[in-house]
Amino acid sequence: AQSVTQPDIHITVSEGASLELRCNYSYGATPYLFWYVQSPGQGLQLLLKYFSGDTLVQGIKGFEAEFKRSQSSFNLRKPSVHWSDAAEYFCAVGDYGGATNKLIFGTGTLLAVQP
Amino acid sequence: NAGVTQTPKFRVLKTGQSMTLLCAQDMNHEYMYWYRQDPGMGLRLIHYSVGEGTTAKGEVPDGYNVSRLKKQNFLLGLESAAPSQTSVYFCASGSGTGAFSNQPQHFGDGTRLSIL
Repeated sequence: AQSVTQPDIHITVSEGASLELRCNYSYGATPYLFWYVQSPGQGLQLLLKYFSGDTLVQGIKGFEAEFKRSQSSFNLRKPSVHWSDAAEYFCAVGDYGGATNKLIFGTGTLLAVQP
Repeated sequence: NAGVTQTPKFRVLKTGQSMTLLCAQDMNHEYMYWYRQDPGMGLRLIHYSVGEGTTAKGEVPDGYNVSRLKKQNFLLGLESAAPSQTSVYFCASGSGTGAFSNQPQHFGDGTRLSIL
């Protein structure tokens, strides 16, 4: 069955440090992959998406993600974290295999940024 | 430029009561979705719609009904609320065109629902 795993429930980084959030997926075909960010009390905002082509995808707010088929991973990165990046981050895979046509979300990684 | 608007933002219900959550989008999107978000479980799809007058079941449809009588509105109903339906509910919409057309692109800010 299709699934998404975000192994880190909570991560703390210092402002200005680099960031990598891990995402592993299980999907039989070429996946549609997404990263969303959720600020406290708000809905999800799409950061970036991947389906095909260049495996390094650029998104909004200075984020990027790299698709590695051999590792079934789609890790999110940012070279220098800002305090405003503190939020919860969700990885998702698009499931087109049936009638439900849905996104399968990971359980999220909560990012804290310390001064 | 409202995007996706959900009403109400908060609600407390007693077990057995009914209510309707309203989602409105002003982007002329074809696709609309209702998700629930529970701690440690990410988001799960309840129902979705691929156009006016259509609805379809998602992962966790039991106990919920939906209607899409107008393209801009997607209503989620709880006929007889249960404590297990305590959650944060998110509505989302998608344009229905392009490579990622049938995935949610814009989310509302959520409705926090408590069932006592």
